[in-house]
Amino acid sequence: AQKVTQAQTEISVVEKEDVTLDCVYETRDTTYYLFWYKQPPSGELVFLIRRNSFDEQNEISGRYSWNFQKSTSSFNFTITASQVVDSAVYFCALEGYNQGGKLIFGQGTELSVKP
Amino acid sequence: NAGVMQNPRHLVRRRGQEARLRCSPMKGHSHVYWYRQLPEEGLKFMVYLQKENIIDESGMPKERFSAEFPKEGPSILRIQQVVRGDSAAYFCASSPNSGTGGLQLILNTEAFFGQGTRLTVV
Repeated sequence: AQKVTQAQTEISVVEKEDVTLDCVYETRDTTYYLFWYKQPPSGELVFLIRRNSFDEQNEISGRYSWNFQKSTSSFNFTITASQVVDSAVYFCALEGYNQGGKLIFGQGTELSVKP
Repeated sequence: NAGVMQNPRHLVRRRGQEARLRCSPMKGHSHVYWYRQLPEEGLKFMVYLQKENIIDESGMPKERFSAEFPKEGPSILRIQQVVRGDSAAYFCASSPNSGTGGLQLILNTEAFFGQGTRLTVV
């Protein structure tokens, strides 16, 4: 069975703090993809990153960074120096082998960044 | 290069009415996926369609829900005799082909999800 767990339902931080959103996944596939999406209060889904299972390099994009660890089946997301505009619900998702387009989403983590 | 277009953005229906949600995939995409997001929950896969074919409907409720993707025109998600529990955001995504990583296969920096239709049943 495939599953994505985001154990943190809500996180509240003060602006400029760093924050890490956890994502743990389960799959028996050796080839798979992991995603992060942002859902701001306006409701649309904003794609942040896709990672394939063979690429364990950490990725940094501006204030965002991702830590992919196959040994612990985790794909954590860190926002450095958070800003109020980062307030949103963040979803981690898994796409199994040959399951193009069929994503398994976590429950989401609601991040609130206060000024 | 328009993205995935969904309409309407907001839809209000009374209990017992029918709801029709439309999704126009990105140009050149022949694969469409529908997801539902119930309040306070993550997205759940509903159905995967290619032109004129339903490929995987494992996430569709057994009754009242149907989906189609005709040769011409948008994909339609149809909910008959809506109930309050159908109130949710319905998202559509498209891809140019199937297979692993299909959703973001070509352009790694673009989201292929539409903006969603928020259905409210009163």
